[in-house]
Amino acid sequence: AQSVAQPEDQVNVAEGNPLTVKCTYSVSGNPYLFWYVQYPNRGLQFLLKYITGDNLVKGSYGFEAEFNKSQTSFHLKKPSALVSDSALYFCVFLGGGYNKLIFGAGTRLAVHP
Amino acid sequence: GAGVSQSPRYKVAKRGQDVALRCDPISGHVSLFWYQQALGQGPEFLTYFQNEAQLDKSGLPSDRFFAERPEGSVSTLKIQRTQQEDSAVYLCASSGRLAGDEQFFGPGTRLTVL
Repeated sequence: AQSVAQPEDQVNVAEGNPLTVKCTYSVSGNPYLFWYVQYPNRGLQFLLKYITGDNLVKGSYGFEAEFNKSQTSFHLKKPSALVSDSALYFCVFLGGGYNKLIFGAGTRLAVHP
Repeated sequence: GAGVSQSPRYKVAKRGQDVALRCDPISGHVSLFWYQQALGQGPEFLTYFQNEAQLDKSGLPSDRFFAERPEGSVSTLKIQRTQQEDSAVYLCASSGRLAGDEQFFGPGTRLTVL
């Protein structure tokens, strides 16, 4: 079955340090991959997507992700973490005939001052 | 604002009651989606509309769940004879016509079935 995997339930980072939230995919064909973030009481927000083209995708709030076909990965990165980045991050792919988002289990990011 | 809105934000129902959850998508968005998010988990797809046509309802967990979008704008998710396992946050999202268009999510309706 097609899926995305987020191997870490939680990632802890000190403010100012670089952060990485990992995602690997098992999707046939050309995967449409996304990162969404869920803040408490603010709902799900889109960060970035990879459809085609440049493997390095830049998104909102200084986040970026690299599509790596050989490693089937789509890790989310940010050079310098902020306390306000603390939230739940979901790796997502577009499945089912490209009309439904399939979410990973989520990774909780905690950025400490 | 011009985002996706959902009502009510919170709903408490007694087991066996019927509930109706409303979604107002972003004006002009052709596609509308419903997702269910259980506590501590990622959202799971329920159903998808393009305009008024329900093109995919494969994620609806039982025939107690019914969704409609009669005029291609506002959508209602109805759950009949609610059960405790229906307790979750129900999320609505809307997007443009193209596959891969960003889906904009509403704040969700938290349903608690007692």
